[in-house]
Amino acid sequence: GDSVTQMEGPVTLSEEAFLTINCTYTATGYPSLFWYVQYPGEGLQLLLKATKADDKGSNKGFEATYRKETTSFHLEKGSVQVSDSAVYFCALKAGGTSYGKLTFGQGTILTVHP
Amino acid sequence: ETGVTQTPRHLVMGMTNKKSLKCEQHLGHNAMYWYKQSAKKPLELMFVYNFKEQTENNSVPSRFSPECPNSSHLFLHLHTLQPEDSALYLCASSQEGSLNTGELFFGEGSRLTVL
Repeated sequence: GDSVTQMEGPVTLSEEAFLTINCTYTATGYPSLFWYVQYPGEGLQLLLKATKADDKGSNKGFEATYRKETTSFHLEKGSVQVSDSAVYFCALKAGGTSYGKLTFGQGTILTVHP
Repeated sequence: ETGVTQTPRHLVMGMTNKKSLKCEQHLGHNAMYWYKQSAKKPLELMFVYNFKEQTENNSVPSRFSPECPNSSHLFLHLHTLQPEDSALYLCASSQEGSLNTGELFFGEGSRLTVL
């Protein structure tokens, strides 16, 4: 079945450091890929997405490129801020699947210190 | 108003109580969902509603009973819960169709504690 594997957290960085959170997936067909972010006490928000191979999703300084050859969708940011502290979820929706069938990774906790 | 609104934000109940969680979406979407978020576990899809019709029930115990009276409202009725049911319950909506990628829009969640 479909699956998403994220790097184990928590990740702790200093402000302005470079961030990478690894995400790899297993899916049939051609999935759409997503990164969601959950700030403390809130629900999940879509951060960025990519719908086909080699697409790059970007938002708020975050980027991720859909790599079909390595089945990866790693999240990167060049300079993190304290306000980026949150839980980050990688997710996929396999092509042709039924409603709402997003498969989520387990989440990676990011803490950024001043 | 935010796109997806959930009430209450926090709920504490005993194992013999009956309570309900409410979700309302203001996005005109055609599908709504309940997810369960427990500590150190991936999000679990519980129920899916498409145009008010339940299309999926992921082996959820009968002590959880969903209701979708229209395409904008979704309820989760709770009764005879167990302490292990304590979690954050997230409602989401999406616009499904051949031209949509189907990303989900989440509410802020209802934090449930079962004593």
